[in-house]
Amino acid sequence: SYKLTQPPSVSVSPGQTASITCSGDRLGDRFACWYQQRPGQSPVLVIYEDTKRPSGIPERFSGSNSGNTATLTISGTQAMDEADYYCQAWDSRTVIFGGGTKLTVL
Amino acid sequence: EVQLEQSGAEVKKPGESLKISCNGSRYSFTSYWIGWVRQKPGKGLEWMGIIYPGDSDTRYSPSFQGQVTISVDKSITTVYLQWSGLKASDTAMYYCARRAFGSTAKYFDFWGQGTLVTVSS
Repeated sequence: SYKLTQPPSVSVSPGQTASITCSGDRLGDRFACWYQQRPGQSPVLVIYEDTKRPSGIPERFSGSNSGNTATLTISGTQAMDEADYYCQAWDSRTVIFGGGTKLTVL
Repeated sequence: EVQLEQSGAEVKKPGESLKISCNGSRYSFTSYWIGWVRQKPGKGLEWMGIIYPGDSDTRYSPSFQGQVTISVDKSITTVYLQWSGLKASDTAMYYCARRAFGSTAKYFDFWGQGTLVTVSS
């Protein structure tokens, strides 16, 4: 079955750029999206169709997807960006989530 | 704005049955797929299945096929997730989420607040 792999954790200093990767076989051939989940809250869509930002999501969030890797990039990371981030794609008619990455801003 | 309102937390014993709900409002309910996602304590998101309220077309993750049932009542714009015999391993937060509109949309644009299910003897 199709699998998406994320690093368990990423650390970044405030104001710096954080990159979170999501790897899967030929992931670039399909759309990837990303969700942010703060502690005790529901997931929130931050990137869809590889690069698009929903209304209300800050411009510092961006995405890319090529080859076997999709990447979520947070520029000028703020303390409020500390959260778990999940990538997601579809395989056939099945939804696949990555294992999640805990972003620590320190 | 779109709303997905989920039913409240549940505490059940192993073997009991349970049906939790997700009420959609402020959008065309029958035109959007609604999915269910499980999150065990301290763990990641797991897709369980999805239903199209327009015609009740339902698909399940292989991991959850036969373990749960997803259904819909269009008259009250509500999707359900039910178990016939709960296990302690079903203890988790359960989220409903709306799949964005269109056959090419492959993401969930709105999420419910979650329903915490605790199964303990």
